[in-house]
Amino acid sequence: AQRVTQPEKLLSVFKGAPVELKCNYSYSGSPELFWYVQYSRQRLQLLLRHISRESIKGFTADLNKGETSFHLKKPFAQEEDSAMYYCALGMDSSYKLIFGSGTRLLVRP
Amino acid sequence: GAGVSQTPSNKVTEKGKYVELRCDPISGHTALYWYRQSLGQGPEFLIYFQGTGAADDSGLPNDRFFAVRPEGSVSTLKIQRTERGDSAVYLCASSLNGDEQFFGPGTRLTVL
Repeated sequence: AQRVTQPEKLLSVFKGAPVELKCNYSYSGSPELFWYVQYSRQRLQLLLRHISRESIKGFTADLNKGETSFHLKKPFAQEEDSAMYYCALGMDSSYKLIFGSGTRLLVRP
Repeated sequence: GAGVSQTPSNKVTEKGKYVELRCDPISGHTALYWYRQSLGQGPEFLIYFQGTGAADDSGLPNDRFFAVRPEGSVSTLKIQRTERGDSAVYLCASSLNGDEQFFGPGTRLTVL
């Protein structure tokens, strides 16, 4: 069965520290992976997707098919990065997304 | 332009009642999705429309849940005989031809 696992409910770091939000997936087909972010009192929005291979707001994520992982990384966290982060798996041309349970990132001053 | 909008933002109802939740997608977006997000969980897929038709309703939990999109734009999620377990935030998203999904603010449903 398709599944997305985000093992950490909360990740707390100090400003300027590196951040890695973990995401593992289970899917037998060819996956599309996404990271969505929800800032306080805002709606869910796309942060980045693996096929675009972009760096958004300093965040990057590399799809590792061998380890079935898509961890989100940023070398120097900023306070404005504090938010809920959801990893999502797209199947069947990405119309259907399977979300992980989310990780709350808290960046302390 | 305006993003996806959902009404109402909050809905409180009693067990056994019928509710309708509305979603206005971004103009021109052909694809529309409904998700449900329970407390402490990520969004869970319910149903996907391409145009007027439900292309995939495999996520609807049971036959109390039904959704329509009669003119290929606005969609309504209908829940009959509501139960306390239906309490959640119901999210709507739209996309252009299955590309990036843009989410609405959600409707928080509370069943007492």
